Amino acid sequence: QQPVQSPQAVILREGEDAVINCSSSKALYSVHWYRQKHGEAPVFLMILLKGGEQKGHDKISASFNEKKQQSSLYLTASQLSYSGTYFCGTGLTGNQFYFGTGTSLTVIP
Amino acid sequence: DGGITQSPKYLFRKEGQNVTLSCEQNLNHDAMYWYRQDPGQGLRLIYYSQIVNDFQKGDIAEGYSVSREKKESFPLTVTSAQKNPTAFYLCASSSQGNSYEQYFGPGTRLTVT
Repeated sequence: QQPVQSPQAVILREGEDAVINCSSSKALYSVHWYRQKHGEAPVFLMILLKGGEQKGHDKISASFNEKKQQSSLYLTASQLSYSGTYFCGTGLTGNQFYFGTGTSLTVIP
Repeated sequence: DGGITQSPKYLFRKEGQNVTLSCEQNLNHDAMYWYRQDPGQGLRLIYYSQIVNDFQKGDIAEGYSVSREKKESFPLTVTSAQKNPTAFYLCASSSQGNSYEQYFGPGTRLTVT
């Protein structure tokens, strides 16, 4: 049930772009994206809903391919503050919800 | 200020003791969740509740118990039956359904020796 994320880890220089992928074996109703800094709670970034609606921050973009049960998070012109672990969360029918395996992102000067 | 609180931040217990972790929210959210996170790992769902007096098991419910007597509160008890209880525990809440973001508490780091 747990979605799989790729890559597991990525290191970027400031200003570079990155894409994080999330793939599920189940039909999805929604996809959430969160970022967690070390020792802290996850913070909401974005929700993508079946049908195309999106809710989230202006500087974050993501896509949701309902047929392929996949989502991608796009981080452009990365900043040092983008460092952390990114989790996707997948909403299934019956209000079931599962977080992904996580992607560690490190931005260096 | 609306938010979700967990207490305590750090908790130490001896093996064989039950321990209860507190989670309170004043966001008027219907749904509440408990997750466990181990070092370098993702979040695994322990229990969730969509409404007062009702809750469902997640993937790793064995050795844990919950109650939802009030909308604002969703305490988690880690029982002595949980074989490896040392972990970071996160509580979250959201409006009903998967269309709404989850708000997380600051977490409780439990160490059992």
